Amino acid sequence: GENVEQHPSTLSVQEGDSAVIKCTYSDSASNYFPWYKQELGKGPQLIIDIRSNVGEKKDQRIAVTLNKTAKHFSLHITETQPEDSAVYFCAARRGGKLIFGQGTELSVKP
Amino acid sequence: NAGVTQTPKFRVLKTGQSMTLLCAQDMNHEYMYWYRQDPGMGLRLIHYSVGEGTTAKGEVPDGYNVSRLKKQNFLLGLESAAPSQTSVYFCASTQPDGLTLRYGYTFGSGTRLTVV
Repeated sequence: GENVEQHPSTLSVQEGDSAVIKCTYSDSASNYFPWYKQELGKGPQLIIDIRSNVGEKKDQRIAVTLNKTAKHFSLHITETQPEDSAVYFCAARRGGKLIFGQGTELSVKP
Repeated sequence: NAGVTQTPKFRVLKTGQSMTLLCAQDMNHEYMYWYRQDPGMGLRLIHYSVGEGTTAKGEVPDGYNVSRLKKQNFLLGLESAAPSQTSVYFCASTQPDGLTLRYGYTFGSGTRLTVV
C-alpha cells in the first residue's frame, strides 16, 4: 500500500526566513497531494494541494512542488510569520483515501 | 453551516468500557473517514465510508467498529476500550468527483480519548 514519509519532524526558523518540508510517497499511482496545517487543539485544515499533472502551485506565501519521477513533493513557506507556527501534514491519495505523513512541527521565532 | 461536528470533545474511559464517537456533517458529503492521531505517527486511517450503508477498513481497524446508517452521520464504536486506544480521534468528510477527490477533506475538531 501507499506509504508517505515526511521530514523533518521539527523545524525552527526565524521570522522572515523560509521553511521547507519534504515528503516522499511510494505508490506511483497516487495523483493528489494535499498539505494540511493543524493548530493546537484543532483539526487539520487544507492549505494547498497539487495534482500529478502539475509541477508547482503557489498561493501567496505558500508553494508546493511535485517531482513525479522521484516521487517526492515539498511545501515551501516564504517570509514566515509567528502565526505560521503549527504542525503541517502532507498526504497522498490512494484510491478513495488519503495517507498522511508523520507531521512536521514548525516553530517560527519572532 | 457547521461543517464536521464531533461529539464528545473529551472522554475518559476505564479499560473494558465501551463508547461511541459521533461524527455529523452538513455538507452532503458522500465520503467520511475516522482517523486517530498519535505523537510522531501522523494521522492513521481507522475506517471509512464511501456512502450511506457502506463501511471499509483502513490501516488500523482492530478494536473499532463503525456504522453509516445515515449519510450525514458516521459512528465509531469501541466495544472494549484498551489503554492503547488512548488517542485523539478525527473525523473527516469529502465529496468525490467520480474516482477523484475533487476537494480536500474537511476535518472535525477532534475527540480526545483517554483509557485508564
